[in-house]
Amino acid sequence: QKEVEQNSGPLSVPEGAIASLNCTYSDRGSQSFFWYRQYSGKSPELIMFIYSNGDKEDGRFTAQLNKASQYVSLLIRDSQPSDSATYLCAVSGAGGTSYGKLTFGQGTILTVHP
Amino acid sequence: NAGVTQTPKFQVLKTGQSMTLQCAQDMNHNSMYWYRQDPGMGLRLIYYSASEGTTDKGEVPNGYNVSRLNKREFSLRLESAAPSQTSVYFCASSAGWYQETQYFGPGTRLLVL
Repeated sequence: QKEVEQNSGPLSVPEGAIASLNCTYSDRGSQSFFWYRQYSGKSPELIMFIYSNGDKEDGRFTAQLNKASQYVSLLIRDSQPSDSATYLCAVSGAGGTSYGKLTFGQGTILTVHP
Repeated sequence: NAGVTQTPKFQVLKTGQSMTLQCAQDMNHNSMYWYRQDPGMGLRLIYYSASEGTTDKGEVPNGYNVSRLNKREFSLRLESAAPSQTSVYFCASSAGWYQETQYFGPGTRLLVL
Protein backbone atom coordinates (compact mmCIF):
# COMPACT_ATOMS: atom_id res chain seq x y z
CA GLN A 1 0.00 0.00 0.00
CA LYS A 2 1.31 3.42 -0.95
CA GLU A 3 1.81 5.81 1.95
CA VAL A 4 -0.09 8.60 0.19
CA GLU A 5 -2.48 7.71 -2.57
CA GLN A 6 -4.50 10.03 -4.79
CA ASN A 7 -7.40 9.31 -7.10
CA SER A 8 -5.75 8.16 -10.26
CA GLY A 9 -7.31 10.50 -12.77
CA PRO A 10 -7.00 12.13 -15.10
CA LEU A 11 -10.03 14.11 -14.03
CA SER A 12 -11.93 16.15 -16.55
CA VAL A 13 -14.63 18.64 -15.56
CA PRO A 14 -16.51 21.35 -17.46
CA GLU A 15 -15.86 24.99 -16.73
CA GLY A 16 -17.90 26.18 -13.78
CA ALA A 17 -18.24 22.73 -12.21
CA ILE A 18 -16.84 21.49 -8.90
CA ALA A 19 -13.65 19.44 -9.13
CA SER A 20 -13.08 16.96 -6.31
CA LEU A 21 -9.59 15.65 -5.64
CA ASN A 22 -9.05 12.92 -3.06
CA CYS A 23 -6.11 11.63 -1.07
CA THR A 24 -5.72 8.84 1.48
CA TYR A 25 -2.72 8.28 3.73
CA SER A 26 -1.43 5.40 5.80
CA ASP A 27 0.37 7.12 8.72
CA ARG A 28 -2.40 7.49 11.29
CA GLY A 29 -0.35 9.93 13.36
CA SER A 30 0.17 12.47 10.56
CA GLN A 31 -0.69 15.99 11.63
CA SER A 32 -0.23 18.27 8.64
CA PHE A 33 -1.50 18.03 5.11
CA PHE A 34 -0.75 20.10 2.04
CA TRP A 35 -2.15 20.54 -1.44
CA TYR A 36 0.20 21.73 -4.18
CA ARG A 37 -0.63 22.65 -7.77
CA GLN A 38 1.88 21.98 -10.51
CA TYR A 39 1.52 23.31 -14.03
CA SER A 40 3.21 21.35 -16.79
CA GLY A 41 6.95 22.02 -16.79
CA LYS A 42 6.77 24.13 -13.64
CA SER A 43 7.48 23.61 -9.95
CA PRO A 44 4.85 22.78 -7.31
CA GLU A 45 3.20 25.75 -5.62
CA LEU A 46 1.23 25.61 -2.40
CA ILE A 47 -2.54 25.98 -2.61
CA MET A 48 -3.56 25.15 0.94
CA PHE A 49 -2.53 23.40 4.11
CA ILE A 50 -4.78 21.93 6.77
CA TYR A 51 -4.01 20.63 10.25
CA SER A 52 -7.41 20.16 11.90
CA ASN A 53 -10.37 17.94 11.13
CA GLY A 54 -13.08 19.61 9.12
CA ASP A 55 -13.14 22.09 6.30
CA LYS A 56 -10.84 24.99 5.48
CA GLU A 57 -11.87 27.43 2.78
CA ASP A 58 -9.76 29.85 0.76
CA GLY A 59 -11.56 31.51 -2.12
CA ARG A 60 -12.70 28.83 -4.56
CA PHE A 61 -10.70 26.15 -2.78
CA THR A 62 -11.84 24.02 0.16
CA ALA A 63 -9.67 21.45 1.87
CA GLN A 64 -11.40 18.75 3.90
CA LEU A 65 -9.66 16.56 6.47
CA ASN A 66 -10.95 13.46 8.22
CA LYS A 67 -8.20 11.97 10.37
CA ALA A 68 -10.35 9.06 11.53
CA SER A 69 -10.77 7.94 7.93
CA GLN A 70 -7.23 9.07 7.00
CA TYR A 71 -8.63 11.06 4.16
CA VAL A 72 -8.01 14.55 2.83
CA SER A 73 -9.67 16.17 -0.15
CA LEU A 74 -9.55 19.37 -2.18
CA LEU A 75 -12.65 20.87 -3.74
CA ILE A 76 -12.35 23.50 -6.45
CA ARG A 77 -15.57 25.41 -7.00
CA ASP A 78 -16.39 27.25 -10.25
CA SER A 79 -13.52 25.48 -12.00
CA GLN A 80 -11.68 27.52 -14.62
CA PRO A 81 -9.47 26.40 -17.52
CA SER A 82 -6.58 28.00 -15.63
CA ASP A 83 -7.09 25.37 -12.90
CA SER A 84 -5.94 22.68 -15.34
CA ALA A 85 -2.81 21.25 -13.70
CA THR A 86 -1.52 18.35 -11.67
CA TYR A 87 -2.54 18.47 -8.01
CA LEU A 88 -0.23 16.92 -5.44
CA CYS A 89 -1.27 15.84 -1.97
CA ALA A 90 1.51 15.86 0.64
CA VAL A 91 1.42 14.49 4.17
CA SER A 92 3.88 15.19 6.97
CA GLY A 93 5.13 12.11 8.80
CA ALA A 94 4.32 11.68 12.45
CA GLY A 95 7.20 9.76 13.92
CA GLY A 96 10.22 7.52 13.55
CA THR A 97 12.17 8.00 10.36
CA SER A 98 9.19 9.75 8.78
CA TYR A 99 9.02 12.52 11.37
CA GLY A 100 8.61 15.89 9.71
CA LYS A 101 9.19 14.61 6.19
CA LEU A 102 6.66 15.27 3.48
CA THR A 103 5.43 12.26 1.52
CA PHE A 104 3.79 13.14 -1.78
CA GLY A 105 1.09 11.32 -3.64
CA GLN A 106 1.58 10.57 -7.31
CA GLY A 107 -0.62 13.48 -8.34
CA THR A 108 -3.96 13.85 -10.10
CA ILE A 109 -4.14 15.55 -13.47
CA LEU A 110 -7.11 17.90 -13.69
CA THR A 111 -8.40 19.25 -17.00
CA VAL A 112 -11.10 21.93 -17.03
CA HIS A 113 -12.67 22.20 -20.46
CA PRO A 114 -14.60 25.25 -21.69
CA ASN B 1 13.00 38.23 -3.24
CA ALA B 2 13.95 35.53 -5.72
CA GLY B 3 12.74 32.76 -3.39
CA VAL B 4 14.45 29.47 -4.26
CA THR B 5 16.80 29.44 -7.21
CA GLN B 6 18.41 26.46 -8.92
CA THR B 7 21.20 26.09 -11.45
CA PRO B 8 21.47 24.77 -14.06
CA LYS B 9 17.98 24.60 -15.55
CA PHE B 10 18.87 21.78 -17.89
CA GLN B 11 21.84 19.43 -18.16
CA VAL B 12 22.85 16.48 -20.32
CA LEU B 13 25.43 14.08 -18.91
CA LYS B 14 27.06 10.93 -20.12
CA THR B 15 27.01 7.87 -17.91
CA GLY B 16 29.81 8.09 -15.35
CA GLN B 17 30.16 11.87 -15.43
CA SER B 18 29.75 13.91 -12.29
CA MET B 19 27.98 17.16 -11.64
CA THR B 20 26.68 19.38 -8.86
CA LEU B 21 23.23 20.93 -8.77
CA GLN B 22 23.13 24.23 -6.94
CA CYS B 23 20.30 25.61 -4.85
CA ALA B 24 19.99 28.88 -2.95
CA GLN B 25 17.19 30.53 -1.00
CA ASP B 26 16.86 34.11 0.18
CA MET B 27 13.97 33.62 2.61
CA ASN B 28 16.19 33.00 5.67
CA HIS B 29 14.77 29.48 5.90
CA ASN B 30 16.34 26.92 8.19
CA SER B 31 15.42 23.74 6.32
CA MET B 32 16.24 22.72 2.77
CA TYR B 33 15.42 19.67 0.66
CA TRP B 34 16.24 17.90 -2.58
CA TYR B 35 13.56 15.93 -4.42
CA ARG B 36 13.41 14.10 -7.69
CA GLN B 37 10.26 13.80 -9.76
CA ASP B 38 9.68 11.00 -12.22
CA PRO B 39 6.52 10.38 -14.28
CA GLY B 40 3.82 8.70 -12.19
CA MET B 41 6.02 8.66 -9.08
CA GLY B 42 5.27 11.99 -7.48
CA LEU B 43 8.08 13.76 -5.63
CA ARG B 44 10.57 11.64 -3.73
CA LEU B 45 12.91 13.02 -1.09
CA ILE B 46 16.60 12.46 -1.79
CA TYR B 47 18.29 14.35 1.06
CA TYR B 48 17.35 17.09 3.43
CA SER B 49 18.95 19.54 5.81
CA ALA B 50 16.76 20.31 8.80
CA SER B 51 19.09 23.13 9.85
CA GLU B 52 22.45 24.57 8.91
CA GLY B 53 25.17 22.06 9.67
CA THR B 54 22.99 18.94 9.41
CA THR B 55 22.06 16.69 6.52
CA ASP B 56 20.13 13.43 6.42
CA LYS B 57 19.07 10.83 3.92
CA GLY B 58 15.60 10.78 2.49
CA GLU B 59 13.76 8.06 0.62
CA VAL B 60 16.12 7.67 -2.38
CA PRO B 61 19.66 8.78 -1.39
CA ASN B 62 21.74 6.20 -3.28
CA GLY B 63 24.04 7.75 -5.87
CA TYR B 64 23.83 11.24 -4.39
CA ASN B 65 25.66 13.40 -1.89
CA VAL B 66 24.76 16.79 -0.48
CA SER B 67 26.44 19.76 1.14
CA ARG B 68 24.77 22.45 3.20
CA LEU B 69 27.29 25.15 2.39
CA ASN B 70 25.69 27.78 4.60
CA LYS B 71 22.18 28.77 5.62
CA ARG B 72 21.32 29.89 2.08
CA GLU B 73 22.86 27.17 -0.07
CA PHE B 74 22.30 23.42 -0.41
CA SER B 75 23.97 21.50 -3.23
CA LEU B 76 23.33 18.03 -4.63
CA ARG B 77 26.18 16.06 -6.20
CA LEU B 78 26.02 13.11 -8.56
CA GLU B 79 29.44 11.45 -8.38
CA SER B 80 28.95 8.98 -11.25
CA ALA B 81 25.75 9.62 -13.16
CA ALA B 82 23.59 6.72 -14.31
CA PRO B 83 20.65 6.70 -16.76
CA SER B 84 18.36 5.88 -13.80
CA GLN B 85 19.14 9.36 -12.47
CA THR B 86 17.45 10.99 -15.45
CA SER B 87 14.78 13.04 -13.76
CA VAL B 88 13.62 16.51 -12.78
CA TYR B 89 15.26 17.69 -9.57
CA PHE B 90 13.60 20.19 -7.27
CA CYS B 91 15.10 22.01 -4.36
CA ALA B 92 12.78 23.30 -1.65
CA SER B 93 13.07 25.23 1.58
CA SER B 94 10.94 25.84 4.64
CA ALA B 95 11.17 28.10 7.66
CA GLY B 96 11.33 25.18 10.05
CA TRP B 97 11.34 21.44 10.03
CA TYR B 98 7.89 20.39 11.23
CA GLN B 99 4.52 21.42 9.84
CA GLU B 100 6.09 24.10 7.74
CA THR B 101 5.20 24.89 4.15
CA GLN B 102 7.89 24.00 1.66
CA TYR B 103 8.64 26.39 -1.20
CA PHE B 104 10.07 24.96 -4.40
CA GLY B 105 12.65 26.15 -6.87
CA PRO B 106 12.07 26.02 -10.65
CA GLY B 107 13.74 22.64 -11.07
CA THR B 108 16.66 21.16 -13.00
CA ARG B 109 15.98 18.76 -15.85
CA LEU B 110 18.75 16.17 -16.02
CA LEU B 111 19.24 13.71 -18.86
CA VAL B 112 21.85 11.00 -18.44
CA LEU B 113 22.77 9.19 -21.64
